[in-house]
Amino acid sequence: QKEVEQDPGPLSVPEGAIVSLNCTYSNSAFQYFMWYRQYSRKGPELLMYTYSSGNKEDGRFTAQVDKSSKYISLFIRDSQPSDSATYLCAMSPMDSNYQLIWGAGTKLIIKP
Amino acid sequence: DTGVSQDPRHKITKRGQNVTFRCDPISEHNRLYWYRQTLGQGPEFLTYFQNEAQLEKSRLLSDRFSAERPKGSFSTLEIQRTEQGDSAMYLCASSQRGVGTEAFFGQGTRLTVV
Repeated sequence: QKEVEQDPGPLSVPEGAIVSLNCTYSNSAFQYFMWYRQYSRKGPELLMYTYSSGNKEDGRFTAQVDKSSKYISLFIRDSQPSDSATYLCAMSPMDSNYQLIWGAGTKLIIKP
Repeated sequence: DTGVSQDPRHKITKRGQNVTFRCDPISEHNRLYWYRQTLGQGPEFLTYFQNEAQLEKSRLLSDRFSAERPKGSFSTLEIQRTEQGDSAMYLCASSQRGVGTEAFFGQGTRLTVV
């Protein structure tokens, strides 16, 4: 079993819908949680960064961390076709990029 | 453009040949990372530099892989005696030192070993 599990999708939703993307993990030592967006043939781009539990909001994006359930979520409100991409979760026990454990990514398709 | 730059974007090589990739990080960033990503998977950490010092290296990295960062500026990743299993996207990222710093990724070098 992988340390970080993420449904590969694809997840297809109509424009304007609320999107929910999720990851589960097994290592209770993880403290730092990130969501990256990756367009085809591009490098990942950091969207959200959260330490420990709780919610964080940035524009149309909200990240949630539930450490008791070992479950993290990314919500996208008012989804746009430009949001179509692969979304990767990543997490680490420490604030260090080289110790990140990545999910496999969920492919998201927003239909106009 | 002041982002992370990688060269080449694509490389096709025959099995057994050596290849070298280059990464130019964002100029004020002292940390540099190399990752490998295969289709349908997240990035896999390869190695990490702080300035010119290589501080971490994945135990998954075979002896055929070597990385350098002379003078703490650009970095090179060399793969010797390439194998078909080396086919992947090789990503470089850089960040500043500090808490909660963001790593900025380049567009990657896609390697195909035939």
